[in-house]
Order: sequence, then structure tokens, then C-alpha cells
Amino acid sequence: AQSVTQPDIHITVSEGASLELRCNYSYGATPYLFWYVQSPGQGLQLLLKYFSGDTLVQGIKGFEAEFKRSQSSFNLRKPSVHWSDAAEYFCAVGALDNNDMRFGAGTRLTVKP
Amino acid sequence: EAGVAQSPRYKIIEKRQSVAFWCNPISGHATLYWYQQILGQGPKLLIQFQNNGVVDDSQLPKDRFSAERLKGVDSTLKIQPAKLEDSAVYLCASSLHAGTSYEQYFGPGTRLTVT
Repeated sequence: AQSVTQPDIHITVSEGASLELRCNYSYGATPYLFWYVQSPGQGLQLLLKYFSGDTLVQGIKGFEAEFKRSQSSFNLRKPSVHWSDAAEYFCAVGALDNNDMRFGAGTRLTVKP
Repeated sequence: EAGVAQSPRYKIIEKRQSVAFWCNPISGHATLYWYQQILGQGPKLLIQFQNNGVVDDSQLPKDRFSAERLKGVDSTLKIQPAKLEDSAVYLCASSLHAGTSYEQYFGPGTRLTVT
């Protein structure tokens, strides 16, 4: 079965600085990859997803992620962070041959003024 | 369109008591999911329904957890009896069809505290 690792439990960045959140997956075939954001007291919201094609995917709120098969990674980036981006971010991996979507443990983002 | 609705938003019970959570998915969504999110962890799938049938319940602790979606619309998740380790947020999600290629829409969750 597929699995996801998010190496960073907590990241703090200054407002206006760039952001990169790391995600590594384990799966034998081409995965479906997702990034979700969860604000306090809210459900998860999909930021972006990768199924196939262009390995650089654009999402909502100015986020993008790049699929790197050689590194089994799908890192999330944003060039300039806003205070409203403070939240928990989850990477998830799905597969074509099953209905199981596995989530990482999440990375909590704090934005300093 | 209305999102996924869940109730209650918060629940505190003592161990060995029972509790039930309710979920109403987005209209027209055939697939419904229940996830358990323990503090500091990502969501873990408990059970997946396609209409009123169970697609996957392999990670549901069936000795104490049960779920139903009788009319293929809203769903109830029950815990009986609750244990301390059941303290978590229970998330409901729905998608148009089964399969991870279909976007899942999440409700706000029910935060359960077992004392």
C-alpha cells in the first residue's frame, strides 16, 4: 500500500517570505498526489492535485507543487506567504488500483508578521 | 452549493459510553467517507460507502465502531463503548464517485473527547 512522509512537523516563516513544504511518498506505480490545507476548526480543503502530465501543478491561493519521480517527492511551494496561510498542510497519496488515500502526518505552518 | 454537514461539532463523553455522529454529504455525491484524525496525525480512513453499500471498512474497529448509510444519502457513525484512545476529530467527506481521482470534499468534523 502507498504511504506518505512529511518530514517537517512545524515550520515558521515570515510574511512575504517564500515557502516550501516537503512531501515524500512510497508507491510502486504512478501515484495520485494531493495537497490539502486545514485551518483550525475547519475541514480539509484541496489545494492542488497531480495525476499525470506536467509535473509542475498550479493550485488555489497561489500554491504550486512539483512531482519528482526520481526523488519520490511532491513538495508544495509558494513564492510569498501571507498571514492567512497559517494552517496545517497535509500531503496525500492515492492510487489508480485502489480507493485508499493515505495522508501524511501534516506540517503546521506559522507565519510571523 | 451546500458543503458537507456534520453534527455535533463537539462531544465530550466518559469512557464506556456510546456516541453517534451524523453526516450529510453534498447533494448527488455517491461516495461517502468517514475518517479519524487523532491529534498530531493525518486523517485515517475508517469506512467508505458507495451509495448505501460499503466499499472499504478494513480499518474500522468493528468491535466498537459501526456505520450506516441506509438510504444512500446521510450517514451515521457510532462508537459503543468508547475508549480513551477514541478521542479524535471525526471527519466526513464525500465525492461524486468512488476512486481517488475524484475530489473529496470534507466537512468541518466532530471533535470527540473521551474522559
